[in-house]
Order: sequence, then structure tokens, then C-alpha cells
Amino acid sequence: GAGVSQSPRYKVAKRGQDVALRCDPISGHVSLFWYQQALGQGPEFLTYFQNEAQLDKSGLPSDRFFAERPEGSVSTLKIQRTQQEDSAVYLCASSLAVGWGIDQPQHFGDGTRLSIL
Amino acid sequence: AQSVTQLDSQVPVFEEAPVELRCNYSSSVSVYLFWYVQYPNQGLQLLLKYLSGSTLVKGINGFEAEFNKSQTSFHLRKPSVHISDTAEYFCAVSGGETSGSRLTFGEGTQLTVNP
Repeated sequence: GAGVSQSPRYKVAKRGQDVALRCDPISGHVSLFWYQQALGQGPEFLTYFQNEAQLDKSGLPSDRFFAERPEGSVSTLKIQRTQQEDSAVYLCASSLAVGWGIDQPQHFGDGTRLSIL
Repeated sequence: AQSVTQLDSQVPVFEEAPVELRCNYSSSVSVYLFWYVQYPNQGLQLLLKYLSGSTLVKGINGFEAEFNKSQTSFHLRKPSVHISDTAEYFCAVSGGETSGSRLTFGEGTQLTVNP
């Protein structure tokens, strides 16, 4: 398809398990972002890639969160030793933007809803 | 640091009535401003954006917003709403020397259009 694709759409895991969330950006989009959206809240920035380079990971809440984009296309967000407070919708967005402060809009996927039991 | 405040968490209106969703931001530098809409179990869809130039910005689905620099506001308006406009609306800001192109969102406004 032409949009940002995220999988799985829903993920249920037990506390302590590791999870991996996948994002397929729009073809040719250089920039890729991950956001975390808690229930009833606005999305919060987690991390940003420009091609394969992770230029900003200041929003990752702990060292249990890890993201990669090894070939500059598909990205994976991994959460180790999950905790209940990790329950949220994880949104991926991509854009044509290169560098800082460029006006290209971000295109969002439908998100992965993660529930930690 | 940048921040966004959406002044109303819920806005109920009747169909065909006008609506205004309020947004204020804080930033020490020039920024870009956006409104996104989120339907249940979906991602965010861009409604409109302000980058520079005319302070009145028109977007999709009949929405428009006005940038007011002196009041640091970017309120969203629609003259006549439809049932299908029921959704969560997010105001967002990007730009600045530290945040780059990442988006900072408000907490959202739930717009409910009643028949």
C-alpha cells in the first residue's frame, strides 16, 4: 500500500516478556519517527531516524527501549522486560524531511496497541 | 522547550453548528503548527499546517485555522460540522533549535457531533 504500515496491530504480552513492533514507512521517506500514545493522551516522541542513522533517541523512557532501522527503510521498536506502564499505542510516522526544521508533514501508521498483563 | 495546550478536552456540538477547537503553544523560536485528526483505532491524519505567510490556513474537510503570534494561538474552526467530524483532534508544534522536526502534541480535544 501507499501508507505507513505497522504490525502487529494488537499485541498482548505478559509482564517481563520482550516485544518487537514493526514499521514499514512510505517508500522513499527519509525520516522515520516513533511516538508513544498512552490512553487519553496525545502522542509523545520516542525516537527519530534519518535513513539508518538514529539522530535523536531522547524520548525513549528507559534503556529497555531500543529502536533500529538497519537499511534505512523498515524500523523495529523493541521493548525488553516489558512492564505494565509500557501499555500504550505505538505510532510510527515517516516523512520526506531531511534535517531539522523542515516543513514536510509526517504521515502516520495506524499504530500497534500494546497491552501488558 | 516547546509545549502545546489544548484548552478543551471535550467539545460537544450539534450537527451543522460551527465549532472552534482552541490551541495555545509556547516556544521561544519560530515554529511550524499543525492540526491532526484521529479516528478510533486509526493513526493521525493531517488536517492543515501553518509554516509561514498568511495567518489563515485552510485544510481538508472544510477546516481552517488562524495563527495568532501575539497570542501564541492556533485555533481550529469549521463553520458547519457533520456527524462524520466526530473524532479526536490534536494540535502539534515542530521546529526550533532543539526539537527539530519531531512533533510535540497537545493532549487532544474530543469533538462529538450530535444529530
